[in-house]
Amino acid sequence: SYELTQPPSVTVSPGQTASITCSGYKLGDKYVCWFQQRPGHSPALVIYENDERPSGIPERFSGSNSGNTATLTISGTQAMDEADYYCQVWDSSTVVFAGGTKLTVL
Amino acid sequence: QVQLRESGPGLVKPSGTLSLTCGVSGYSISSGFYWGWIRQPPGKGLEWIGSVYHGGSTFYNPSLKSRIITSVDTSNNQFSLKLSSVTAADTAVYYCARKNCTGGNCYPDYWGQGTLVTVSS
Repeated sequence: SYELTQPPSVTVSPGQTASITCSGYKLGDKYVCWFQQRPGHSPALVIYENDERPSGIPERFSGSNSGNTATLTISGTQAMDEADYYCQVWDSSTVVFAGGTKLTVL
Repeated sequence: QVQLRESGPGLVKPSGTLSLTCGVSGYSISSGFYWGWIRQPPGKGLEWIGSVYHGGSTFYNPSLKSRIITSVDTSNNQFSLKLSSVTAADTAVYYCARKNCTGGNCYPDYWGQGTLVTVSS
């Protein structure tokens, strides 16, 4: 089965840029989604098709995907961005999630 | 706006069957899309369970496939999950979601609020 790997945690200062990586074999050949899960809430889609933002998602969220690594970038990080973030791909007719990254804004 | 809401027992006995229903509003499930289930054990990450189309076609997580049954009730605009032979390892928050497919990826784009199911005697 396909495996995705994320760092368990990332810390960023308010107003700075946060980068969360997602690694997988030839990940650049796939399309990646990113989900944000605030404490006590359901996950919410913030990036699809590597770099597309659903309506209502702030422009400070962006994504990229190349080689073996996809990256979620949050520019001008705000306190409200503190959450768990999960990358996801579709492989062998299955939705595959990575283990998630806890983003701390401190 | 598509909205989903899970319902079902919050406590299931070991070796029993977990049964959940997801009611959908704002979209007719017979109009298209697959409809799926995801779970999240307390303090852990997300696990895809499977999805079902209104016509009956299904995609299941291979690790759970032998214990899963999903179904669609178009008259009530809802779909259901049954997971048999449960153990404590099946304790989790269960989410229902709409599965969208674009650009070569399929992903849950609308999620329910989630419901905690505990497996315990």
